[in-house]
Amino acid sequence: RKEVEQDPGPFNVPEGATVAFNCTYSNSASQSFFWYRQDCRKEPKLLMSVYSSGNEDGRFTAQLNRASQYISLLIRDSKLSDSATYLCVVNRGFKTIFGAGTRLFVKA
Amino acid sequence: EPEVTQTPSHQVTQMGQEVILRCVPISNHLYFYWYRQILGQKVEFLVSFYNNEISEKSEIFDDQFSVERPDGSNFTLKIRSTKLEDSAMYFCASSEDAGSNTGELFFGEGSRLTVL
Repeated sequence: RKEVEQDPGPFNVPEGATVAFNCTYSNSASQSFFWYRQDCRKEPKLLMSVYSSGNEDGRFTAQLNRASQYISLLIRDSKLSDSATYLCVVNRGFKTIFGAGTRLFVKA
Repeated sequence: EPEVTQTPSHQVTQMGQEVILRCVPISNHLYFYWYRQILGQKVEFLVSFYNNEISEKSEIFDDQFSVERPDGSNFTLKIRSTKLEDSAMYFCASSEDAGSNTGELFFGEGSRLTVL
């Protein structure tokens, strides 16, 4: 079983749509959780950290359920510039594990 | 804005040759990492480095790989005898914290390695 699993997509949505991504992790010792964004052939960049209480940053909302070992990302009012691969990332000590990513295409 | 820099941006080498990829982490960061991403695949953890020693390494990071921080600013990844399957983008990253306090990883733009 992969340590971090994501639906690979792609998700094709129109501008203005709301889209949700899910992620599960297998190691209960995982300590911290993140969503990164990766544009084609570029380096990953932090989108947001994920907390059990849930957190929001503008149009983006992230949620963590430790009991279910489940992480989510909600994007509201999608923009063309949101088109990218979204990486679910889990940290355990000195090791940070990336999911394979979910590809999002936002169309005009 | 401080950034992680990597050189070279692209290196082409023959199978069996040694390659050194270089990284300059953000100056006040204490934790350093190498990741690789084979084209079309996920970002894979290779190794983390703190206090001049390896903190953790993955099963990918075998005896062909080594890391070094030779001069207090550069952080290098050496591949002793490259194989075709080593062809990938190699990302260096650094962070201020690690462990339970892990914050953001700052990535360099990557070094693309092509092994022929």
